[in-house]
Amino acid sequence: QLQLQESGPGLVKPSETLSLTCTVSGGSITSSSYYWGWIRQPPGKGLEWIGSVYFSGTTDYNPSLKSRVTIFVDTSKNQFSLKLSSVTAADTAVYYCARHSYPLFYMDVWGKGTTVTVSS
Amino acid sequence: DIQMTQSPSSLSASVGDRVTITCRASQSISSYLNWYQQKPGKAPKLLIYAASSLQRGVPSRFSGSGSGTEFILTISSLQPEDFAIYHCQQSNSAPYTFGQGTKLEIK
Repeated sequence: QLQLQESGPGLVKPSETLSLTCTVSGGSITSSSYYWGWIRQPPGKGLEWIGSVYFSGTTDYNPSLKSRVTIFVDTSKNQFSLKLSSVTAADTAVYYCARHSYPLFYMDVWGKGTTVTVSS
Repeated sequence: DIQMTQSPSSLSASVGDRVTITCRASQSISSYLNWYQQKPGKAPKLLIYAASSLQRGVPSRFSGSGSGTEFILTISSLQPEDFAIYHCQQSNSAPYTFGQGTKLEIK
């Protein structure tokens, strides 16, 4: 069945760029029925949607992060990636990748999550 | 942004109890409301989508209702594995926002 796996550094220095990749296995990222996105959860807090990407490259971002976020897809590798620039301690969180069913945009398959700490 | 507010924030209940969790949206979201269950250290799991559609593989004791601005998640008879945090999420318009979560604990 479809699986998503996040990968990337667990520690990022303040002001640097956080980079994560989500590898999709057991299915194709080019399916027309899905978007692919990122959600984060700071320690002890709720879930925050970061943004999503379609296999064509169309993106949608949370306005609260839009100036710092880039999400892009690599169909040849069946992966999509997140870049978040100018990070601060407030960006410390568990980052999840998730499949978004189109057009209802519920998130039906999630990765296990990866913890990213912003600290010098 | 559409604000999502869940109540209660925490709830104590016993195995076998019927439990309801409410989610309110700051504006009408039609039926674009989804419910997730999250256990400690795990990713959220989709339970209900489009307000009342049960995700494949989710036990039938879970049900959802509502439309517009008020939605309810009902667990008809709590099982030990149901103690977790429950999140609602609106998918009417981006940014897709979540409620603050409801922690369901064992009484």
